[in-house]
Amino acid sequence: EAQVTQNPRYLITVTGKKLTVTCSQNMNHEYMSWYRQDPGLGLRQIYYSMNVEVTDKGDVPEGYKVSRKEKRNFPLILESPSPNQTSLYFCASSFGQVFGGANVLTFGAGSRLTVL
Amino acid sequence: SQQGEEDPQALSIQEGENATMNCSYKTSINNLQWYRQNSGRGLVHLILIRSNEREKHSGRLRVTLDTSKKSSSLLITASRAADTASYFCATDLLPQGGSEKLVFGKGTKLTVNP
Repeated sequence: EAQVTQNPRYLITVTGKKLTVTCSQNMNHEYMSWYRQDPGLGLRQIYYSMNVEVTDKGDVPEGYKVSRKEKRNFPLILESPSPNQTSLYFCASSFGQVFGGANVLTFGAGSRLTVL
Repeated sequence: SQQGEEDPQALSIQEGENATMNCSYKTSINNLQWYRQNSGRGLVHLILIRSNEREKHSGRLRVTLDTSKKSSSLLITASRAADTASYFCATDLLPQGGSEKLVFGKGTKLTVNP
């Protein structure tokens, strides 16, 4: 089944304890992206990647890191989590704007992170 | 930066009625997409309309696009309780220096009462 898999789905952690949220897709997509969703603020893009070893900042990159060493994986790293990073996180992927096509995203199920 | 803005923020209707949601955006676009999100779950792509299209249908969904007004509407006909969800528009901005960017609005929360 074509899908984007995120782990963990739920996590409660404490301030300053490094954590990684993994994201993997099995659709051979070039484009991958991380969003966070907060009440009243909608979805905001954190980082995105157009291909292996190519990453770029989205609208709210502060406090996050990403890497794209393989095409299928795009982990989100919180080096020193803070309470304002408590949120619902989504990973998404697509073929990107290939040959004038549209960037239609497939989303993961979400990872709910609480930082105490 | 917030590109798309949905209106209304929340909509409550009875089963069988039509639901209309609107999206306004600020800058020129390649295309506009609508996504659906069931409570706390991942977004699911519903329909895409390109900047040179004015109307598109998919089952009970009808999307219109007015590029002169920078607005789009999503109509769900004969709504069902299972349509209860949040609906987001997403604008695929014209490339700026080669970067790809899909910007989401804040969504319309639709409740369909049985």
